[in-house]
Amino acid sequence: KAGVTQTPRYLIKTRGQQVTLSCSPISGHRSVSWYQQTPGQGLQFLFEYFSETQRNKGNFPGRFSGRQFSNSRSEMNVSTLELGDSALYLCASSPGAAIPPYEQYFGPGTRLTVT
Amino acid sequence: GDSVTQMEGPVTLSEEAFLTINCTYTATGYPSLFWYVQYPGEGLQLLLKATKADDKGSNKGFEATYRKETTSFHLEKGSVQVSDSAVYFCALSLNTGGFKTIFGAGTRLFVKA
Repeated sequence: KAGVTQTPRYLIKTRGQQVTLSCSPISGHRSVSWYQQTPGQGLQFLFEYFSETQRNKGNFPGRFSGRQFSNSRSEMNVSTLELGDSALYLCASSPGAAIPPYEQYFGPGTRLTVT
Repeated sequence: GDSVTQMEGPVTLSEEAFLTINCTYTATGYPSLFWYVQYPGEGLQLLLKATKADDKGSNKGFEATYRKETTSFHLEKGSVQVSDSAVYFCALSLNTGGFKTIFGAGTRLFVKA
């Protein structure tokens, strides 16, 4: 099976702009989660989608949003970019079953730099 | 709240040395526990997992045992290799109506030849 893919891999944006990142999960996986990774804050959970519905959300401002399509592909959007949004954004997919373990499979990430 | 605490790095070892990376957790409910590894420039890879007390997860010579009484999930390897140099993350996952995964801060391991 192909792994989780994320596009683009690298992105440079200017403060105030918006950005959309894309994630294609492993075939058959219905849950997609997004994380922000920075040297200072580590890995922080953004949100999780399952069957096009957001099931869980982390503590990020409303500028961070996401969606999931019927084929389980997901996008996240960050509006009005700030310098502090510079980070590696990781997508993870999971079968989404309601029984443990809730293991996740990660993509390579999108490196976003805000200038 | 739910949290994961793991030992700070970096940890520097010589090849063939014994490795222990400590991890403790706090969780409401009964979490699944994981170790993930991140190599430079890559995303996280699942290294091993355990879903209930006394379960031992193992993979590639790494082991960790789910200890409910001490709320711990320490990672061990008997003989490390240079190729094991990476950042290791301890994590817990809970089903709270949706998945919730909490990661530790990560421990960077350097292995010298």
